[in-house]
Order: sequence, then structure tokens, then C-alpha cells
Amino acid sequence: AQTVTQSQPEMSVQEAETVTLSCTYDTSESDYYLFWYKQPPSRQMILVIRQEAYKQQNATENRFSVNFQKAAKSFSLKISDSQLGDAAMYFCAYRSRSGGGADGLTFGKGTHLIIQP
Amino acid sequence: DTAVSQTPKYLVTQMGNDKSIKCEQNLGHDTMYWYKQDSKKFLKIMFSYNNKELIINETVPNRFSPKSPDKAHLNLHINSLELGDSAVYFCASSRERGLGYTFGSGTRLTVV
Repeated sequence: AQTVTQSQPEMSVQEAETVTLSCTYDTSESDYYLFWYKQPPSRQMILVIRQEAYKQQNATENRFSVNFQKAAKSFSLKISDSQLGDAAMYFCAYRSRSGGGADGLTFGKGTHLIIQP
Repeated sequence: DTAVSQTPKYLVTQMGNDKSIKCEQNLGHDTMYWYKQDSKKFLKIMFSYNNKELIINETVPNRFSPKSPDKAHLNLHINSLELGDSAVYFCASSRERGLGYTFGSGTRLTVV
């Protein structure tokens, strides 16, 4: 079974600074998908960015980018120019390409990101 | 316009009761899911439903049962509610595996 580990329960960053959230995962599969989701206090789950394992190029979405290291099974999220609206729980998630089981996302335990004004 | 809608948003009920949470998606997605988020914010899949095939996470008690009247709906029924069922329950849907999910806004269930 796959596991996802987020080793930082909480991170704090000054507004306008850059912060990196860590995520590692364990899998025996070679093809899969990785995601970062954001959950603000409203509790809505919002997809931030996704990465396909067979693509070597790191995904970017505006101020959000990932550092995908397949061999190291690492998938960190970098947030540049942090804004107050970025304050939220951030979840790293894994999804198998081939399916099986309940065919769901496997989530890490989340990192609570605090933005200091 | 809401892509995945859940009702109710909040549900407070007594132990032993039976309750349902409704979920509807208007995205034309083929697969729908239920997730449970516990008090420590950990999210875990409960069910997935695709083309009349239900896949159940083996850790889910059989007091929980999803019901899908059609492709756009996946409701969650819970019998004999227990204190430990208190959590936020999310419905989600997806079209293709790699595109991720669209989540509903969640239902906070409190069992007293």
C-alpha cells in the first residue's frame, strides 16, 4: 500500500516570502499521479497543482511550483510571494495510475501553513 | 453552478440514529467518492462508485452504505450512529484518474 508523509505539521512564513512544504511517499509503482490540495478554514478542498510521474518537468501554477524527485520519492511544494490568502492546511496526495482498491487518493496528514503579515 | 454539492453542511444527531448525507455532481464525472476527515484533519477514502461498481475501503463499518440512484448522485447512509462517527464527510467526483478530484464543501457530522 502506498503511504504519503508530510513531516511538517506546521509552517510559518512572512508575507511575500517563499516557503517550501515537504512531502515524501512510498510506492512500488512506476506510474502514478501526485497532487497538492489546499484546505482553507472554509474547509473546501481546492486542487493546487498536480504532477504526472512519467513527466520529468516540474509542474507550475502561477506562484505555486513543485520539486518532483522521483528517485527520492519526494514531491515538495514551493509557494512564492506568499499571500495572506495562502493560509490553509496543505495536503499532499498520491493516486495510482492503474487503480485498484477503493481507487482513491492517499493523503498525507497535512501541513498547517501560517502567513505572518 | 456548484460542481459538487453536499447537503446538509452541518448535521447534529443523537447516538443510535440513522442519517443520510446527499451528494450531487453536475460535472458529468463517471466516478464518485466519499471521504472521511477526522478531528486531526486526516482524510481517508471510504467508498468509490463507478458504473455501478462499488469499491469499499475494508476499514469502513457496514453501518455505512452509499447509494447511487443515478450517475450524478452518491448519497451516504449511516445507521446506528456512534460518537466516533463524528467527523467531516466529503463527497468528491472525478472524470479521469490523473486530473484529480472535485470535492464538495463537506458535511460536519456531530454525534451527541
